[in-house]
Amino acid sequence: DTGVSQNPRHKITKRGQNVTFRCDPISEHNRLYWYRQTLGQGPEFLTYFQNEAQLEKSRLLSDRFSAERPKGSFSTLEIQRTEQGDSAMYLCASSSGSGQPQHFGDGTRLSIL
Amino acid sequence: AQSVTQLDSHVSVSEGTPVLLRCNYSSSYSPSLFWYVQHPNKGLQLLLKYTSAATLVKGINGFEAEFKKSETSFHLTKPSAHMSDAAEYFCVVSATTDSWGKLQFGAGTQVVVTP
Repeated sequence: DTGVSQNPRHKITKRGQNVTFRCDPISEHNRLYWYRQTLGQGPEFLTYFQNEAQLEKSRLLSDRFSAERPKGSFSTLEIQRTEQGDSAMYLCASSSGSGQPQHFGDGTRLSIL
Repeated sequence: AQSVTQLDSHVSVSEGTPVLLRCNYSSSYSPSLFWYVQHPNKGLQLLLKYTSAATLVKGINGFEAEFKKSETSFHLTKPSAHMSDAAEYFCVVSATTDSWGKLQFGAGTQVVVTP
């Protein structure tokens, strides 16, 4: 399967803990996006990478959130000191260029106890 | 700035009958428009895209959508619903001037298909 892969699929953690998610995009795609989807809503843009450069961050991405794509391949999204409001599905997508459709992974569902 | 409004939060259809999901868009520039489908606990799958070519766009699984600039609409249709079409559908816009391709999603339409 050469689609977008996200791990883990589900993460349960206690409030205040740190969590890290991983996204492996489609191999030839140089663009990588993170979105957050809360229950009953459409996904909201968080951040975007072109190769290893993080080119845009949404105001939704507070200073507790950090994303990296160190070698322009896989990406990680870390949330520090998790809060109840961080409970959501975190989706990763990749694309090959402007105007091209984004291909999504199955997401990581974060549940904060 | 661009946005989309999905006019129905829930649509219920009988198997074998037509499906219509309504979407209006707002964009300062000529938009790229997409429809995505999301099955429970899964990621989003692209159904079709409009990028200023033909106004009638055919997608996967028998879905199609028509871009109407005068009505700022991009409604999704399917002639005959199948049980497997039960899912959430998102209308999505991206400004063609946005070289980063950031997507703006509608709130979604939940489709229920009854036997």
